Amino acid sequence: DAGVIQSPRHEVTEMGQEVTLRCKPISGHNSLFWYRQTMMRGLELLIYFNNNVPIDDSGMPEDRFSAKMPNASFSTLKIQPSEPRDSAVYFCASSFRGRFEAKNIQYFGAGTRLSVL
Amino acid sequence: GENVEQHPSTLSVQEGDSAVIKCTYSDSASNYFPWYKQELGKGPQLIIDIRSNVGEKKDQRIAVTLNKTAKHFSLHITETQPEDSAVYFCAASRGAQAAGNKLTFGGGTRVLVKP
Repeated sequence: DAGVIQSPRHEVTEMGQEVTLRCKPISGHNSLFWYRQTMMRGLELLIYFNNNVPIDDSGMPEDRFSAKMPNASFSTLKIQPSEPRDSAVYFCASSFRGRFEAKNIQYFGAGTRLSVL
Repeated sequence: GENVEQHPSTLSVQEGDSAVIKCTYSDSASNYFPWYKQELGKGPQLIIDIRSNVGEKKDQRIAVTLNKTAKHFSLHITETQPEDSAVYFCAASRGAQAAGNKLTFGGGTRVLVKP
């Protein structure tokens, strides 16, 4: 498997523009996570899905952020409108959650570095 | 909710020496504790993990210890090499008990191994 695939790797945009980040999880995985990483706040969980259903979006900073998972092989994180403080590296991770699985090994993508000018 | 604290935030060691990173967690229901390594420009990658029914686990130069009573766990790297230079994250999870399988991460430790 190619692992978790994120696109684009780098995104530079101007304040007020819409930004869409994309993620393809590992085939067969049923959980997907979106994280944001900054120097000040570290690695923050924004939202996660189980079986394409959003379970916990309490980490989403505000209404400007939205995430969707229309099927098991694709998810998007959208910021509209974007602001300079949204500049960060955004990671997508996926894992397999079985009924009796006590481990939650999350596999991370390479990230999208977002710069909002 | 779970809170994970990690120390130190930076660690500089001489090649060949040992490095120790410590984490504490708050949720007594947490039962799975992975450690991730993040190299520059890459996403975090799992390097070792431990479940709450085990006190220690070793994999070559890396070991993790867990003290459930005190709610803390540690990562030990022996005979450090320059390629061990990276940011290391600890995490905690309730595992299968949780409605989801959310990991709560510590703040990270930047390790620099000096040749």
